[in-house]
Amino acid sequence: GNSVTQMEGPVTLSEEAFLTINCTYTATGYPSLFWYVQYPGEGLQLLLKATKADDKGSNKGFEATYRKETTSFHLEKGSVQVSDSAVYFCALRTQGGSEKLVFGKGTKLTVNP
Amino acid sequence: DTAVSQTPKYLVTQMGNDKSIKCEQNLGHDTMYWYKQDSKKFLKIMFSYNNKELIINETVPNRFSPKSPDKAHLNLHINSLELGDSAVYFCASSHRTGSPTNEKLFFGSGTQLSVL
Repeated sequence: GNSVTQMEGPVTLSEEAFLTINCTYTATGYPSLFWYVQYPGEGLQLLLKATKADDKGSNKGFEATYRKETTSFHLEKGSVQVSDSAVYFCALRTQGGSEKLVFGKGTKLTVNP
Repeated sequence: DTAVSQTPKYLVTQMGNDKSIKCEQNLGHDTMYWYKQDSKKFLKIMFSYNNKELIINETVPNRFSPKSPDKAHLNLHINSLELGDSAVYFCASSHRTGSPTNEKLFFGSGTQLSVL
C-alpha cells in the first residue's frame, strides 16, 4: 500500500540553523508529494508541493525536491526562525483521481532563540 | 472570514455519550473530509464526501457517522463514545477536479475531544 515515513522527532534547533526533515515514500505509480505544516493550536496548511520527479517545491524559504530514484521528498530550510516552530507532515496523493492524502506521522520542530 | 470552521473547539464528555462535531466551509469547495489526529500527532483520514456523496470511508467503527446536508457542511456524529475516541478531529475541504494543481486541502483548526 501507499505510505509515508518521516524522521522521528522532536527536532530542536537554534535560530538560523539549517533544517532537514527526511521523508521517504512507498507508492504505486507516480504520486504527488506535499509538505503540510501545523502551527500550535491550528489546522494543517499546505507548505509546498511537487507533482512529478525532479520538481522542486518551495515556499517561505523551505524547499523539497521530488527524488524518484530515492523515493524521497526531504524538507530543507537554510536558516530557521523561532516562528518556524510547528509540526511538519509529509504526504502523498496517488494518481487516479482519489482525494485521499496519506500523511506521515509528523515531525515536531522547536526553534529556540 | 474563516475558510473552514469547526465547532466546538473543545469537547469534554463521559464515556457512553453521543456527541456531534460540526464543520462548515465557505470556499465553494465540493469535497470535504474528516481526519483524526491521535496523541502522537498521527493523522488519518476517516471520511470524505464529494457533492454530499460519501467517497472515502476508511475502517472506522460504525459508531462514527458523517452527515452532509449540503456541499458546505460535513458533520460528524459519534455514538457511545469510548476512551479511545479521545483525539483531535480535523475537518478539511478541497476542490475536486483531478488536476494536480488543485490538490490543496484547507483544514479547520480542529476539535479536541476528550472522553473521560
